[in-house]
Amino acid sequence: KNQVEQSPQSLIILEGKNCTLQCNYTVSPFSNLRWYKQDTGRGPVSLTIMTFSENTKSNGRYTATLDADTKQSSLHITASQLSDSASYICVVSDRGSTLGRLYFGRGTQLTVWP
Amino acid sequence: EADIYQTPRYLVIGTGKKITLECSQTMGHDKMYWYQQDPGMELHLIHYSYGVNSTEKGDLSSESTVSRIRTEHFPLTLESARPSHTSQYLCASSEVTSGGELFFGEGSRLTVL
Repeated sequence: KNQVEQSPQSLIILEGKNCTLQCNYTVSPFSNLRWYKQDTGRGPVSLTIMTFSENTKSNGRYTATLDADTKQSSLHITASQLSDSASYICVVSDRGSTLGRLYFGRGTQLTVWP
Repeated sequence: EADIYQTPRYLVIGTGKKITLECSQTMGHDKMYWYQQDPGMELHLIHYSYGVNSTEKGDLSSESTVSRIRTEHFPLTLESARPSHTSQYLCASSEVTSGGELFFGEGSRLTVL
């Protein structure tokens, strides 16, 4: 069964600190992996999209890594800010059909304290 | 910033009422989707459309229905709401099926009493 597992489920850090969120997946075949940020009560916003050949991708203070061999990805947040408090969702797409099905993780709830 | 809009943002109604959640996008995207999301859970696809007059059911069974009469508009309707329909409903659109970026609306939080 294709799945996307994220860890930790929740995380609390102090403002200015760095953190790393994990995503493990079993989706096959693999097309791309996405990280989204979802503020409470809002829709998800895309942070990065990574294909099979990409190992790392940055978007400001956000850096995503992908190891397609071990089927693991991480999202590293540098110098956290209060506005980083949100749920971070890992999404994996397969290429097994024209639908290009998306598999969603349950997200990691990050809270940044002042 | 994504040009995809959902109304209402919040809706509280009684059991048995008919409701329509509106979703519109101004990006000219052919592909549109409805997802359902409960707290702490992953998003579940309930409906999708690849263009005008094209609608399909998603992975999660839903009593709601959708229509796609215009490219920019993808409304979701519940004929008779029940408390089990209480959830967050997210509309999204994209250009390419699997490789394209998915743009989400702000969501509609439905509470059925």
